[in-house]
This record gives sequence, structure tokens and C-alpha cells, in this order.
Amino acid sequence: DTAVSQTPKYLVTQMGNDKSIKCEQNLGHDTMYWYKQDSKKFLKIMFSYNNKELIINETVPNRFSPKSPDKAHLNLHINSLELGDSAVYFCASSQGSGSKDTQYFGPGTRLTVL
Amino acid sequence: DAKTTQPTSMDCAEGRAANLPCNHSTISGNEYVYWYRQIHSQGPQYIIHGLKNNETNEMASLIITEDRKSSTLILPHATLRDTAVYYCIVRFLNAGGTSYGKLTFGQGTILTVHP
Repeated sequence: DTAVSQTPKYLVTQMGNDKSIKCEQNLGHDTMYWYKQDSKKFLKIMFSYNNKELIINETVPNRFSPKSPDKAHLNLHINSLELGDSAVYFCASSQGSGSKDTQYFGPGTRLTVL
Repeated sequence: DAKTTQPTSMDCAEGRAANLPCNHSTISGNEYVYWYRQIHSQGPQYIIHGLKNNETNEMASLIITEDRKSSTLILPHATLRDTAVYYCIVRFLNAGGTSYGKLTFGQGTILTVHP
């Protein structure tokens, strides 16, 4: 069983479009994250949710809006896509409690904006 | 979170131990050392973490110096599948023992395991 899954795996779209990436975890974790890995391979956190509440927002443009319908899901909606949004987006989850706070990552969604 | 310094790349022969160093000279008392790796085109994978004692699990060992200013990740018998980027991360877990905190990834060390 896949612990953290993301859909789609690949997403190719035109500038200006709106798109969503979905993430689901079946680990029973309380905390979920979105990370962005750019072309230079730097991994940076974007958002963190704990029990459906936004905990971390790392100065991400407000075109990016995370939504957590329940603690097993954290979706990322992106409005008015720009060329610079092209990257691999990783979802992660953790129990969020002390030394058990190991983050488990999904396989990534490669977004290409043309 | 404290900054870490790692070599850009390292090579290792298959079957040999891979020793990956990390400097974290500004680490504070309540910051943990975490290691993750990222195999090409996959999501990062947790390896091990520790506070001040050496740690071992089924994947690796973590040796932390007594002053905690550096650590070494040891893969005891490297295989070709261990070729990946290895990230050393120092992060804070608060006094309550909880953290919803981010992982701050640096450049990491590209480990290449040769046949």
C-alpha cells in the first residue's frame, strides 16, 4: 500500500491556467506538507497543515492555495500558472509529535508550465 | 534551524562502507540531526535521526561528535541502489516535544556507488 500518494504524477499545462494537485496519506498522520523542488534541485517547504489547520506558510504567492478537506488529504490549487511554477511538487506527512516527527514523502508531481 | 555543510559529492565502491560527513557547528542543545536521501526522481526518504547519542537502524548508523558540531552517516555495506543525494538537516523540536516544523534542505551530498 502506498503511504503518501499524489496525483497526477505529471502535469503539463499552459500559462494562465488553473490546476490542482492532490495528496493523500494512509498513515494516520496529523500533519501534512507541500514542498517545491525547482530546477536547481533545491527542496523548499511551502505549506504545512496540522489537523486541517494551516501551520506554516512560507511566503508563497497567494496564487497557491492549499486545501485540507480532512487530515488524510492536502490538495494544492494553483491559479494563473506562471513559467516559474514549473517544478516538482512533493507532498509529505508526519505524526507531528517530537522524535516521531519523521516526514514521509510522496513520489512527486512534475509540473511543466508552457 | 542551524546551517549544515556537506561535501558536494562522494564516491564509494559497492560493498564498502560509505561515510558521509556533515558539519553543523552552530547547532543548539535542542536541535536534532536528521538524515534524508533522495534517489533520482523519487521523493526524499527518511534514514535516521539523533540528538547526541549514536544511533543505528536497519538502514544506517549515525555518529554524532561529543560537542555535537559534526556527524557522520554510515551506510555499512553500500549497494548500487544507495546512489542518491544525501541531506543532513538540523531541526528544532520544541520543549513540548512536538514540531510541525519544516525540513530545511541544503544542497546535500551526491553519493555515487560504483560496481
